[in-house]
Amino acid sequence: GESVGLHLPTLSVQEGDNSIINCAYSNSASDYFIWYKQESGKGPQFIIDIRSNMDKRQGQRVTVLLNKTVKHLSLQIAATQPGDSAVYFCAERPTGNQFYFGTGTSLTVIP
Amino acid sequence: KAGVTQTPRYLIKTRGQQVTLSCSPISGHRSVSWYQQTPGQGLQFLFEYFSETQRNKGNFPGRFSGRQFSNSRSEMNVSTLELGDSALYLCASAERAGGHAEQYFGPGTRLTVT
Repeated sequence: GESVGLHLPTLSVQEGDNSIINCAYSNSASDYFIWYKQESGKGPQFIIDIRSNMDKRQGQRVTVLLNKTVKHLSLQIAATQPGDSAVYFCAERPTGNQFYFGTGTSLTVIP
Repeated sequence: KAGVTQTPRYLIKTRGQQVTLSCSPISGHRSVSWYQQTPGQGLQFLFEYFSETQRNKGNFPGRFSGRQFSNSRSEMNVSTLELGDSALYLCASAERAGGHAEQYFGPGTRLTVT
């Protein structure tokens, strides 16, 4: 899984399978989290967010789970498609409106 | 609606030089934020401008500066370039200040310092 400052991990999944991308955040005071998707040659794209008063939030084919006890965030992508191939990274907001971003996980979908 | 545009897309500079990057936000967006992205550090926040005023600033040295014009277009400047400044510089625009969930990113400017 991903963690702020570490090398970029990779994940390969078969098309149609579910993907789980993990993120370990650093600050227990963080109250807001965002997952981004970044395709090659493009800027990051917002996928889904979650506030610290929730432990799960669902979007279209994506679910974010938050475990504040262990400071862990995960992104689940259902029925992964080739277009999901990208780098995914999380962001946490410890104080004010300053965000801290992870380095990302590279997801490759195998057709 | 046109997306966020950044110019130039690629740039090669020499140590000690200075560089100016430009960002045109989505029409109607008044917030522009700048980020530096490197493989080792990931995405790091530089600063945010809203209505020509800097609202937030990240932990970067004073060599990094920016400004926003009345039409919301923004520029960032890096003076006395160092090798470590090589990175992808991204800008993002939003309708409101601090609107991270509604930010739209541009494709970035790839800066290489030799």
